[in-house]
Amino acid sequence: DAGVTQSPTHLIKTRGQQVTLRCSPKSGHDTVSWYQQALGQGPQFIFQYYEEEERQRGNFPDRFSGHQFPNYSSELNVNALLLGDSALYLCASSLSGHSYEQYFGPGTRLTVT
Amino acid sequence: QKEVEQDPGPLSVPEGAIVSLNCTYSNSAFQYFMWYRQYSRKGPELLMYTYSSGNKEDGRFTAQVDKSSKYISLFIRDSQPSDSATYLCAMRPGGGADGLTFGKGTHLIIQP
Repeated sequence: DAGVTQSPTHLIKTRGQQVTLRCSPKSGHDTVSWYQQALGQGPQFIFQYYEEEERQRGNFPDRFSGHQFPNYSSELNVNALLLGDSALYLCASSLSGHSYEQYFGPGTRLTVT
Repeated sequence: QKEVEQDPGPLSVPEGAIVSLNCTYSNSAFQYFMWYRQYSRKGPELLMYTYSSGNKEDGRFTAQVDKSSKYISLFIRDSQPSDSATYLCAMRPGGGADGLTFGKGTHLIIQP
């Protein structure tokens, strides 16, 4: 049973560029949430997707956008990258109605220079 | 004041000791309480979750929630060097809002 997978593992971008991160949920899950984890901090909720729509959003600017596909996989897009966007980006999947059981992927480490 | 407070540590204990990890929170709407373990440069791994107040046990791990004090704990019995990791508490309200609010994490070191 495959768990949550994310790609790429690492990414280096320049300030002002755009980036797309990808996530495949755990088999049987239909809901994907994205989190940003800065060094030494806990993950911060960015947004959640269910049925291809953004269902909830945390306190992040609209430079952060996402998408969910019919197979439940998801993308996170960040535009106009800032140095402060450097972090570990985590994807978590769950079954709708059971978001207290969110399973995380290994993350994508983004470095903005 | 942050919504969830967690002492970042590090907390260093000898192998075999009982470990107590704690979080306090300010949002009385939180109903679900989770504990995650995160090894260096990896994603968080769900250890257990609890709904509302009470205790829950799973092997060497026991989670406690005291909603009246807005205080949650995770106890690890017979600690092993492999338990060395960062432990994150997370919470969410009862209905509607599904995003988790995390503490900063406590870095735990089990000395062989």
